[in-house]
Amino acid sequence: DAKTTQPTSMDCAEGRAANLPCNHSTISGNEYVYWYRQIHSQGPQYIIHGLKNNETNEMASLIITEDRKSSTLILPHATLRDTAVYYCIHTPGSNSGYALNFGKGTSLLVTP
Amino acid sequence: KAGVTQTPRYLIKTRGQQVTLSCSPISGHRSVSWYQQTPGQGLQFLFEYFSETQRNKGNFPGRFSGRQFSNSRSEMNVSTLELGDSALYLCASSSSSKGSPSYEQYFGPGTRLTVT
Repeated sequence: DAKTTQPTSMDCAEGRAANLPCNHSTISGNEYVYWYRQIHSQGPQYIIHGLKNNETNEMASLIITEDRKSSTLILPHATLRDTAVYYCIHTPGSNSGYALNFGKGTSLLVTP
Repeated sequence: KAGVTQTPRYLIKTRGQQVTLSCSPISGHRSVSWYQQTPGQGLQFLFEYFSETQRNKGNFPGRFSGRQFSNSRSEMNVSTLELGDSALYLCASSSSSKGSPSYEQYFGPGTRLTVT
C-alpha cells in the first residue's frame, strides 16, 4: 500500500511561506508524488506533482530530495484562503490500480 | 470549461433504502472515480470507470455499485443503506487514457448523504 507520512497540523502566518513536508520512503523509481488540498466543505483540488526534479506552477513549488524519500510543498505567500488539509500522495504501483490513497494529510491553518 | 458536477448535493435517506448519485465529468474526460469521505476513515476509493468499464474497485461491500455511460457520465448506487453509509461522496474525473491512468484528478463538490 502506498503510504506517506505528514505532520497532522501546521500553522503559518499570512504572507509568509508555508512549507509542508512529506515522507514517502517506500516510493519506487517510477512513482510520482502528487499534492492535493481540500478546503473545508469542498472536493479535493489538485496542486502539483513531480517525479525527480523540482516543479513549480502558479499555485506552489514542489521540492523532492535527491533520494526521493521526502518532499516539501511550498506555498510562497500563504493567504487565509490557503487554509486547508493538504495531502501528499505517491502514485500506486503497477499492480495497485488507479486508486489514490489520500491518508490523513496535514491541516494547515493560515493566521492573520 | 465546466467543472465536475454532482447531483444531488444533499440527500437524506432512511436505513434500508437505496440511493443513486450522479456525476458529470469535465468534457473530454473519460475516467471517473468515486470516493467516500467520512470523519473517521477519511477519503476512501470506491471505484474507477473508463469507457464504461470498471477498471478498479476499492474495498467496499457489494452494496456499492456504479456504472458509466457512453457520454462518460457516471452513477453510483448504494443499496440497503446503513447508518454508516452517511458520508460525503466525491466524484473525480481525469484525462486518463486506456492503458495509462492519470492521477491529476478533478473533483466535484460532492454529495452529502445522511442516512437516518
